[in-house]
Amino acid sequence: GAVVSQHPSRVICKSGTSVKIECRSLDFQATTMFWYRQFPKQSLMLMATSNEGSKATYEQGVEKDKFLINHASLTLSTLTVTSAHPEDSSFYICSARIGGRYTDTQYFGPGTRLTVL
Amino acid sequence: RKEVEQDPGPFNVPEGATVAFNCTYSNSASQSFFWYRQDCRKEPKLLMSVYSSGNEDGRFTAQLNRASQYISLLIRDSKLSDSATYLCVVRQQMDSSYKLIFGSGTRLLVRP
Repeated sequence: GAVVSQHPSRVICKSGTSVKIECRSLDFQATTMFWYRQFPKQSLMLMATSNEGSKATYEQGVEKDKFLINHASLTLSTLTVTSAHPEDSSFYICSARIGGRYTDTQYFGPGTRLTVL
Repeated sequence: RKEVEQDPGPFNVPEGATVAFNCTYSNSASQSFFWYRQDCRKEPKLLMSVYSSGNEDGRFTAQLNRASQYISLLIRDSKLSDSATYLCVVRQQMDSSYKLIFGSGTRLLVRP
């Protein structure tokens, strides 16, 4: 099946620093990429939807100036958590969508665990 | 009210048992329905889609009732490897794309 990678898999940083997470579709071109966040024992919450070459669409309550999304190509999207604080500690997961006439599927990356001290 | 509601569990069952999970969704415009499986500290993985006619994949049977906005998953002959969190997911259209709405998951523990 299709593969989506994320880097880094885990990051620990000090409060106030910025952290960049990369999401790559390895063997296909993704029409859309999605960023999710999951706090312990909670569901995945969609943060934003991004299409290559255009601005991301953020879900209600997600600060676009704090969570910067860049979707530079059909195989790469990045999420930058700016001025991270302990409450931003979470599991961040991206997914890439293949949309076609007969199939429309999201493939998830392995996730990035962010811990802000 | 959450858009997708699930009993968080955990369901603790012996190997070989049959276990059923339920899920309700609030948006009647939801178009597609899925069950995903998520292992601890891993990404979710698609288990199966859910159709109104009901569908089966080996030991797993999923059912959708659009009228009552209810989705179910039945696991027969539980294996130790079935231990995971099962996420009920609905898909909603938005302009030219769509988004997935996840339930918070039902945790299953299968014991020897």
